[in-house]
Amino acid sequence: SAVISQKPSRDICQRGTSLTIQCQVDSQVTMMFWYRQQPGQSLTLIATANQGSEATYESGFVIDKFPISRPNLTFSTLTVSNMSPEDSSIYLCSVVGGVYQETQYFGPGTRLLVL
Amino acid sequence: GQSLEQPSEVTAVEGAIVQINCTYQTSGFYGLSWYQQHDGGAPTFLSYNALDGLEETGRFSSFLSRSDSYGYLLLQELQMKDSASYFCAVGGRRSNQGGKLIFGQGTELSVKP
Repeated sequence: SAVISQKPSRDICQRGTSLTIQCQVDSQVTMMFWYRQQPGQSLTLIATANQGSEATYESGFVIDKFPISRPNLTFSTLTVSNMSPEDSSIYLCSVVGGVYQETQYFGPGTRLLVL
Repeated sequence: GQSLEQPSEVTAVEGAIVQINCTYQTSGFYGLSWYQQHDGGAPTFLSYNALDGLEETGRFSSFLSRSDSYGYLLLQELQMKDSASYFCAVGGRRSNQGGKLIFGQGTELSVKP
């Protein structure tokens, strides 16, 4: 299994500002995923972060709003830019694992409130 | 596109058996997974079915019928600690999508004494 940590665990931010969320994994992984979970909702994939290449964004998410860095095989950051109250969510990073790579391990999440 | 449907909430009593259904529509299918999420916690992996049939892991079992685009999670001998949200998800490593998952809307299970 993979152990994943995220920083910060929670934050309260003012609209118009940006927040960078860090994700650290205890082992080297090729791909890392960033999800958003709005209050009472399911998880929605924002993007896939590949080491050494640009992140791949899902429909409805753009790099200008959610820039991602992946400087090495154990670390990634997600920035939520020019925040609005609609960005208030839990942001989770995850990695693939398991014998058949069928499992995703999630970090504890970053709880963001935008005022 | 891809979509998954599951009931929004289920209530059961301690010691009972509950089944949470999931139907899906996908452009390509590489497996059905189930995740559990307690309030304030991260999702944790429960099971994965790539082939038809039943997979059993302790009190939890998961079933898949690819011809019906249908699966379910079966929880036996319910305990209070099983109260959580349960998500079905399609995708997985063995796909051209590199492991990303598409999640259903989640089923909130409430276990009563």
